[in-house]
Amino acid sequence: DAGVIQSPRHEVTEMGQEVTLRCKPISGHDYLFWYRQTMMRGLELLIYFNNNVPIDDSGMPEDRFSAKMPNASFSTLKIQPSEPRDSAVYFCASRTGRTDTQYFGPGTRLTVL
Amino acid sequence: SQKIEQNSEALNIQEGKTATLTCNYTNYSPAYLQWYRQDPGRGPVFLLLIRENEKEKRKERLKVTFDTTLKQSLFHITASQPADSATYLCALDGQNFVFGPGTRLSVLP
Repeated sequence: DAGVIQSPRHEVTEMGQEVTLRCKPISGHDYLFWYRQTMMRGLELLIYFNNNVPIDDSGMPEDRFSAKMPNASFSTLKIQPSEPRDSAVYFCASRTGRTDTQYFGPGTRLTVL
Repeated sequence: SQKIEQNSEALNIQEGKTATLTCNYTNYSPAYLQWYRQDPGRGPVFLLLIRENEKEKRKERLKVTFDTTLKQSLFHITASQPADSATYLCALDGQNFVFGPGTRLSVLP
């Protein structure tokens, strides 16, 4: 298996622009997680899905952030409009079962100017 | 509120020694605890999982203990090598899945 795939790997955009991050989980995994990592706040859980349904989005910082999972093999995290404080590395992870290992993607490094 | 602390931001040790990293938590009752390794520019990679009813878990040179009374986990790397240099994160799962801030370990040759 190719593992969790994220695109793009790097994104540089200007404040106010819409940003869409993409994730393909490992085939057969029924949980998908979106995280954000910064030096100041560490690794934060933003939202997670089970069987394509959002279960907990309490970590989503504000309404500018939205996430979707239209099918078992694809998820997006959208920021609209983006702000400089959104600059971070965004990770997607997937796993199967309630207590199994999470497999992380390589991350998307987002820079908002 | 729930809080997870890892003993230090950075830890330097000499090659061959045992590295011990600490994860403490408060206001939390995790069903299990995990340790991950993260290298620069990469996502975290799972190392070990220990459940609340287990005291100790081992995997090759790695050992994890879990004391639910002290609300603490210790992560040991024996016979450390420069290749063990990385950031190590603990993660707790109870009501939510939460990562600690990480400890950056440097093993000096």
